[in-house]
Amino acid sequence: QVQLQESGPGLVKPSGTLSLTCTVSGGSISNSKWWSWVRQPPGKGLEWIGEIHNGGSTNYTPSLKSRVTISVDKSKNQFSLNLSSVTAADTAVYFCARRGYFDSSGHYYPYYFDYWGQGTLVTVSS
Amino acid sequence: EIVLTQSPATLSLSPGERATLSCRASQSIGSFLGWYQQKPGQAPRLLIYDASNRATGIPARFSGSGSGTDFTLTISSLEPEDFAVYYCQQRSIWPGTFGQGTKLEIK
Repeated sequence: QVQLQESGPGLVKPSGTLSLTCTVSGGSISNSKWWSWVRQPPGKGLEWIGEIHNGGSTNYTPSLKSRVTISVDKSKNQFSLNLSSVTAADTAVYFCARRGYFDSSGHYYPYYFDYWGQGTLVTVSS
Repeated sequence: EIVLTQSPATLSLSPGERATLSCRASQSIGSFLGWYQQKPGQAPRLLIYDASNRATGIPARFSGSGSGTDFTLTISSLEPEDFAVYYCQQRSIWPGTFGQGTKLEIK
């Protein structure tokens, strides 16, 4: 059973950089293709931040692209999120997730999230 | 960017009733739509993939339909544990997007 766990500071100062790590257990990060970050401001909906392939290629949502970097460290079975120049609008619960669902027959459906971390609240405040 | 518009924003029903949730895409996404359930303090859980396929372990009372731009999630007879927020999601075209959610509340 794959498990994901987010870690990082819960409080970041305005104009600083938000840095989070997602540790994958129960399987190798190399065995799955895509790993994502999704965030959810308090009381609001879900926003896809970006994703990284285990080979290193990335996709970032356009509204955040200039501030986001996602990287992977296969040796530690981790992937990470850096979001620079943060403001109060970046306050949210940040989730890491695996994109790509295998059904009970082993067929692969690449567009959906099957495993998620429990989420970590990051507050941007001085 | 594909915008997913969910309706209604809030749906008030009683246990045992039928729930119908809608998701409309701003352009055609074929059948590449997923539905998720999220309860307070929890991560979303995949219910439906490719518009109409139930994920492993999802009860048969959950069903999905639609293609192109119009999609529906139906819960045939609501159980107390079904009251939650539901999101639709697409990734066939980057950036992947979520709908704004439908809150299913107890009447």
